[in-house]
Amino acid sequence: GAGVSQSPRYKVAKRGQDVALRCDPISGHVSLFWYQQALGQGPEFLTYFQNEAQLDKSGLPSDRFFAERPEGSVSTLKIQRTQQEDSAVYLCASSLVGTGYTFGSGTRLTVV
Amino acid sequence: QKEVEQDPGPLSVPEGAIVSLNCTYSNSAFQYFMWYRQYSRKGPELLMYTYSSGNKEDGRFTAQVDKSSKYISLFIRDSQPSDSATYLCAVSRQLTFGSGTQLTVLP
Repeated sequence: GAGVSQSPRYKVAKRGQDVALRCDPISGHVSLFWYQQALGQGPEFLTYFQNEAQLDKSGLPSDRFFAERPEGSVSTLKIQRTQQEDSAVYLCASSLVGTGYTFGSGTRLTVV
Repeated sequence: QKEVEQDPGPLSVPEGAIVSLNCTYSNSAFQYFMWYRQYSRKGPELLMYTYSSGNKEDGRFTAQVDKSSKYISLFIRDSQPSDSATYLCAVSRQLTFGSGTQLTVLP
């Protein structure tokens, strides 16, 4: 595709519910990143994939957060037993190696 | 201390002004430096990407990196109302972001 596509654009979850956020990177982009952006803040790194390998998950805030990219293309970020502090915009970015990153428009998650 | 510090603003300038946006960072090992622009309810959009020290120019935008003082800057010449957005600096391959500076260019 022409850009990074994320779905859904908006998600409202009840506290304790599991959610899954999808990212379709630019075709051929090897690297894929997930970020969490709180209101009025810069994005915070969550995890990084190179192809299907998850090379860095140091930014995941708890073991309730899980990400996968099984075929090296589409990625899913899953949050189990959502809490109010998980409310944020979740951004996905992809890139070729050694180039700048292209971001999607994000998924705005609200936990009520 | 955060790894990247950025004045959150808000910054308001008249159309045509030169805008200077700045960040400082703490880790001298950082080699990659980027500036992103983010409009409301959109993802960040890459403006400038530089490796190591020096200047880089692209149209009305100039990025400067001073590794000796761990200071990065973005200059916008002849600013336009369409430049009104939040500007984010980012360092390293994993992209450690500043908190963003909100810029408004008044017509």
